[in-house]
Amino acid sequence: DAGITQSPRHKVTETGTPVTLRCHQTENHRYMYWYRQDPGHGLRLIHYSYGVKDTDKGEVSDGYSVSRSKTEDFLLTLESATSSQTSVYFCAISPRGGQGNEKLFFGSGTQLSVL
Amino acid sequence: ELKVEQNPLFLSMQEGKNYTIYCNYSTTSDRLYWYRQDPGKSLESLFVLLSNGAVKQEGRLMASLDTKARLSTLHITAAVHDLSATYFCAVESEMDSNYQLIWGAGTKLIIKP
Repeated sequence: DAGITQSPRHKVTETGTPVTLRCHQTENHRYMYWYRQDPGHGLRLIHYSYGVKDTDKGEVSDGYSVSRSKTEDFLLTLESATSSQTSVYFCAISPRGGQGNEKLFFGSGTQLSVL
Repeated sequence: ELKVEQNPLFLSMQEGKNYTIYCNYSTTSDRLYWYRQDPGKSLESLFVLLSNGAVKQEGRLMASLDTKARLSTLHITAAVHDLSATYFCAVESEMDSNYQLIWGAGTKLIIKP
């Protein structure tokens, strides 16, 4: 999977607890993304990063925060998990970040269940 | 706000048949992407379409883009079981000087022997 590792692969947690998902890449790509995938919605962008310490919000960013202290790591944090955040989370990377070639390479996904 | 609609959302077909998946989008964009996802797996890129009239083919799949109609099609020729998957289109959209992909809901394709 193009040198992308997501951890954990599966997680079950309780409402109100904080959760952090990790995405690690070995491709040295500038752009990294967090998506969530829910039935009937395709993929929806949560946050993305265009460099170390440079992040921006996507279309469904409420309740999520991110950090990128190194090129290779992009962390997604659910500050206080809710049942509506039960989903499959995908990390993706891209060398270009758009403008003509936004080909993304995806990690294997994290199945998160909030009870 | 850019919206992307795929249809059909579900398609069951016999091996050997031809069929087309449609991807419509609501605002101007010259760049469209097709991805494939197998059950429980990640997504992989199939085609990148970068201009009006672009056509890409690989094996039994062919994708095309008509930016004037805001329409892309993914055509399947003589379907085989291995093509069973969910197919997503995604349209590139500029937002605040950054580019993002807006995704369709996906078309789940089941090909029966």
